[in-house]
Amino acid sequence: GENVEQHPSTLSVQEGDSAVIKCTYSDSASNYFPWYKQELGKRPQLIIDIRSNVGEKKDQRIAVTLNKTAKHFSLHITETQPEDSAVYFCAASLEYGNKLVFGAGTILRVKS
Amino acid sequence: GAVVSQHPSWVICKSGTSVKIECRSLDFQATTMFWYRQFPKQSLMLMATSNEGSKATYEQGVEKDKFLINHASLTLSTLTVTSAHPEDSSFYICSVKGMGSQHFGDGTRLSIL
Repeated sequence: GENVEQHPSTLSVQEGDSAVIKCTYSDSASNYFPWYKQELGKRPQLIIDIRSNVGEKKDQRIAVTLNKTAKHFSLHITETQPEDSAVYFCAASLEYGNKLVFGAGTILRVKS
Repeated sequence: GAVVSQHPSWVICKSGTSVKIECRSLDFQATTMFWYRQFPKQSLMLMATSNEGSKATYEQGVEKDKFLINHASLTLSTLTVTSAHPEDSSFYICSVKGMGSQHFGDGTRLSIL
């Protein structure tokens, strides 16, 4: 089955700096890759997603890139703010909106 | 506003008790819902896929007789943890597929004493 690896496990950045989180997946048939932000004790919230027919997607300070050949995708957050501090999970799915296989998560700390 | 409503948000009970968690889709008719479990400081692990009007599909290693899933309508799926023990203590989250992505409930924190 699908396996998703996520790095780093923790990331500390200074406010205003950029943060990059990387994920790799094992199943080349996966075609949908969402990113979720989860604050302590709360639900995961979708922040951005990308499908396999697209190489890059951007939404204000957040961008995701996908390299299908290498089977990896990355989350880029620019101009980080303290409220960006949370746990971020990448995920992969064999079918758009179907069951998700999550990465282990990255704790992002933005220091002011 | 919330797309998925999950209740209860927090349960503390004695070992051996059965606990029922409800997941309601507020905005979509959900033929498919998903149940995940998240241990402290860990990722979300899919437990089962809940299918309206039919049996749930369980992931490898998840005991179907331990975690009973009922999806009797297009808006409601329930997860019952039967004869819960301390090792079942976890954060249980449901999700609904709709508008091209998955929408998560607020989760249920289950603590078994």
